[in-house]
Amino acid sequence: QKEVEQNSGPLSVPEGAIASLNCTYSDRVSQSFFWYRQYSGKSPELIMSIYSNGDKEDGRFTAQLNKASQYVSLLIRDSQPSDSATYLCAVRGGGGYQKVTFGTGTKLQVIP
Amino acid sequence: SAVISQKPSRDICQRGTSLTIQCQVDSQVTMMFWYRQQPGQSLTLIATANQGSEATYESGFVIDKFPISRPNLTFSTLTVSNMSPEDSSIYLCSVEGSGDSQETQYFGPGTRLLVL
Repeated sequence: QKEVEQNSGPLSVPEGAIASLNCTYSDRVSQSFFWYRQYSGKSPELIMSIYSNGDKEDGRFTAQLNKASQYVSLLIRDSQPSDSATYLCAVRGGGGYQKVTFGTGTKLQVIP
Repeated sequence: SAVISQKPSRDICQRGTSLTIQCQVDSQVTMMFWYRQQPGQSLTLIATANQGSEATYESGFVIDKFPISRPNLTFSTLTVSNMSPEDSSIYLCSVEGSGDSQETQYFGPGTRLLVL
């Protein structure tokens, strides 16, 4: 079982719709969760971090965390063509210093 | 977040040769990280570099193949030695944020390597 799993996509949504990106992780003691956006040919850039169960909103982005289900998601409201990119889920384990493990990413295509 | 630069941004190399990638940060950081992203893949941690000590390598990566230097708190190098086409990849330098962002990793622009 992969440590961090994402559907590779592509996920296609029309402009203005809500894009929902999902991620599951295997390490039950994981404490920190991140979503990165990576445009083709570019390096990953941080969009959101979340540490507690529930929702965290930042502009059009909402991260959702459910530690009991080992599940983290990213919602993008009012999707724009400029949101078309690969979204990487990243998880840091708990207990002392732990490395960050990245999922393989979900490619999002927003259709104008 | 810190500003991270890498050199070179891209290179095409012949098999059997070596390439040294430089990473410069605009602030002092304790740990620097080197990742590899092979085509169509996610990021894989190669090693963690602390100033004044040997780098810590992840499973599957060895110092002879990927020697790392960390001479001060703002600079690190990664060498890809005796390259083969399988080393064609993007190599990314990363640092952790500070303060409230200290658990977050930030990435440099990457070095795109093609080995022929």
